[in-house]
Amino acid sequence: DAGITQSPRHKVTETGTPVTLRCHQTENHRYMYWYRQDPGHGLRLIHYSYGVKDTDKGEVSDGYSVSRSKTEDFLLTLESATSSQTSVYFCAISDQANYGYTFGSGTRLTVV
Amino acid sequence: DQQVKQNSPSLSVQEGRISILNCDYTNSMFDYFLWYKKYPAEGPTFLISISSIKDKNEDGRFTVFLNKSAKHLSLHIVPSQPGDSAVYFCAASPSTSYGKLTFGQGTILTVHP
Repeated sequence: DAGITQSPRHKVTETGTPVTLRCHQTENHRYMYWYRQDPGHGLRLIHYSYGVKDTDKGEVSDGYSVSRSKTEDFLLTLESATSSQTSVYFCAISDQANYGYTFGSGTRLTVV
Repeated sequence: DQQVKQNSPSLSVQEGRISILNCDYTNSMFDYFLWYKKYPAEGPTFLISISSIKDKNEDGRFTVFLNKSAKHLSLHIVPSQPGDSAVYFCAASPSTSYGKLTFGQGTILTVHP
């Protein structure tokens, strides 16, 4: 399909536990992004990557870290999950900045 | 501080009529604007974009208008079809930002047969 997959699709976890979400692409795109979607806020950028090992913070990065050790994978880690991190998380890829992204199908994370 | 705002949470139109979705922004550094469409349980899909050097861009039934002086853009869908029913997000970016987008809250469009 679009060459981007997110895993898992759904996850329920307990407060205080670490969680890692994975984004995998087969398009060899340079740019990768993590967004969260919440009611009333649209999508907000958490972290992004502009190359292997090149990452930076977005608008709502507190409580999250990322890693990109190879072009195809971009991992989002919640070191100690909190209820405020209950959300739908979307990964996106782009082969050039300022062009339409391709989004993954999302991961619904519930922190109880 | 919401830099991109979609003030209408929802819009309902009749099939065949025009749908107009609106978006306002406050950041003068934004010079690239996009619209995305999202169905439930799916990721957003890119619809159409416009750069600040233009005031209009068309793609089939979809036209985006940009009014830079008013910091306002709109998406027109003509004619509207039931399959257009979805959430529409506008997004904006400065051209030097590694493609980081700032999204509006979204507008739920319902097209009635």
